[in-house]
Amino acid sequence: AAGVIQSPRHLIKEKRETATLKCYPIPRHDTVYWYQQGPGQDPQFLISFYEKMQSDKGSIPDRFSAQQFSDYHSELNMSSLELGDSALYFCASSFLGLPSYEQYFGPGTRLTVT
Amino acid sequence: AQKITQTQPGMFVQEKEAVTLDCTYDTSDPSYGLFWYKQPSSGEMIFLIYQGSYDQQNATEGRYSLNFQKARKSANLVISASQLGDSAMYFCAMYQGGSEKLVFGKGTKLTVNP
Repeated sequence: AAGVIQSPRHLIKEKRETATLKCYPIPRHDTVYWYQQGPGQDPQFLISFYEKMQSDKGSIPDRFSAQQFSDYHSELNMSSLELGDSALYFCASSFLGLPSYEQYFGPGTRLTVT
Repeated sequence: AQKITQTQPGMFVQEKEAVTLDCTYDTSDPSYGLFWYKQPSSGEMIFLIYQGSYDQQNATEGRYSLNFQKARKSANLVISASQLGDSAMYFCAMYQGGSEKLVFGKGTKLTVNP
């Protein structure tokens, strides 16, 4: 079965640079979520989109922005990168028409800021 | 605010034995969902099992079962017949009605010994 696709899988950037992470949800899924998992930490919710509209917002820094496109893929844009942004960034997708909000995670993008 | 507590930072089990990973939650919303995810050392977040707050029966998925005790606000994961490949980090997570974002516990690192 098709899964959530994230690209790139690994990314190395320097401080103050920008980064763009991409997420392609499972086909027919209409909702995308972004999570950040720091080293040794639990994942923290950043932001979500339903039908291309922002549906919820968590602890996302102002330096980050995200959007969902007409084909339902999503991009997380990160500017003025800081060392503390080094983390595993997960995208998850779900279909809100299901009785449960099962979220299926992508393999993650490991961002290293040097 | 919703909260997930996993009190076992690490657990050890012998191959082929059963193990229970603890999870307690706190929410005032009657509508919520509980999840367990497995995160191997490779980093991906693998969905294991889901329990809705209105579900009458405990969820089961193969060797995984969720011991849902609503009055005690606990949702423990039981893994039967442990395998070496079960060694991983296990996260309990929940959403509450009106928001599909997941809140995670700190995780339990399970090690299966041969």
